[in-house]
Amino acid sequence: EPEVTQTPSHQVTQMGQEVILRCVPISNHLYFYWYRQILGQKVEFLVSFYNNEISEKSEIFDDQFSVERPDGSNFTLKIRSTKLEDSAMYFCASSEARVGTVYGYTFGSGTRLTVV
Amino acid sequence: AQSVTQPDIHITVSEGASLELRCNYSYGATPYLFWYVQSPGQGLQLLLKYFSGDTLVQGIKGFEAEFKRSQSSFNLRKPSVHWSDAAEYFCAVAGGSASKIIFGSGTRLSIRP
Repeated sequence: EPEVTQTPSHQVTQMGQEVILRCVPISNHLYFYWYRQILGQKVEFLVSFYNNEISEKSEIFDDQFSVERPDGSNFTLKIRSTKLEDSAMYFCASSEARVGTVYGYTFGSGTRLTVV
Repeated sequence: AQSVTQPDIHITVSEGASLELRCNYSYGATPYLFWYVQSPGQGLQLLLKYFSGDTLVQGIKGFEAEFKRSQSSFNLRKPSVHWSDAAEYFCAVAGGSASKIIFGSGTRLSIRP
């Protein structure tokens, strides 16, 4: 079964450093998403991306965050200057079509980001 | 705005017993509803989803859920739980024209031997 692949599985970074989280969505999917889950809390939507631009973003997704699809296979989330409160599990997801169809999302296994 | 409420933070059931996890949603139109399961330190696995049609949907691992529009509910059930079902369960909702999924706060399921 096709998978969404995320790397690295765990990243430790110092406060103020830039981090890039990487995702390889399923190859024929068109919609891409990032979510985060602070330890012990619920999964929160960050941003959705379609046709090489952001289609929707949450209040969490401020100027410190950016997304990019640098080539035909990767989808990245960049945090420019990490803060302690950015420590969380970050999930990438992709969808073949809009949620209004039968396909829904496929989530990756996540990247645990620890800011020290 | 869309929202999901999972009223039970933690549930413990005995192995072999039946299970029902509650989920209530808020959405103005017909929602798209999901149940995901997450084992500790792991990603999110889709158990089942509902878009339209039969209001009783079957999922993986023997789970099922029933959509009740009148109660704005989408409760997850399993007739007989196994120790391996211990995990965090998230109900989620999406709108027909929205591109995001909104998750509930989750219910942690523990299994008593």
